[in-house]
Amino acid sequence: EAGVAQSPRYKIIEKRQSVAFWCNPISGHATLYWYQQILGQGPKLLIQFQNNGVVDDSQLPKDRFSAERLKGVDSTLKIQPAKLEDSAVYLCASRSGTSGVWELFFGEGSRLTVL
Amino acid sequence: KNEVEQSPQNLTAQEGEFITINCSYSVGISALHWLQQHPGGGIVSLFMLSSGKKKHGRLIATINIQEKHSSLHITASHPRDSAVYICAVKIWTDKLIFGTGTRLQVFP
Repeated sequence: EAGVAQSPRYKIIEKRQSVAFWCNPISGHATLYWYQQILGQGPKLLIQFQNNGVVDDSQLPKDRFSAERLKGVDSTLKIQPAKLEDSAVYLCASRSGTSGVWELFFGEGSRLTVL
Repeated sequence: KNEVEQSPQNLTAQEGEFITINCSYSVGISALHWLQQHPGGGIVSLFMLSSGKKKHGRLIATINIQEKHSSLHITASHPRDSAVYICAVKIWTDKLIFGTGTRLQVFP
């Protein structure tokens, strides 16, 4: 079974530039998450999708971050314009099932450095 | 105070040692996950617990719901076990709350 795919693995940009990350979840997984993990901290939820609908985006800085999941499969996370404090690893995760006991599968992450 | 606390933050060990990582939480949960993160950044799920104890190879995870505490044990540690171990709790709204992780280094 293929895992969660993310790209690019690494990205270096200057502040005020834009960047986009892509995620392809495990086939059949209805729920998809984007997390931001700053160095030395645990992952912080940015947005959760159920199929192509948003379940939770309460911690997404909507003035600069946007995410979409067209057709309920792949997802993109965009940052525009980037700030220095956006330097982090952006993790995509997916799971099957809608509630109860479930296991979460993570991608390798996309490491962003903003200069 | 964080809702999920891990200890220690950093841990070094010699190969072969028995290792324990602790996780305490202050919220009501439906399950607790132990995750492993290697330097490249990817995260692998090790265990999901809602009660009792689980074992997989040299890894053992326990949870005490009454005390709101879980432990991850590694027997006969090996340098390849070097990673960050993260505890995450699933609260009743289905949301995950993550600890800040324990960085483990095992030296040969």
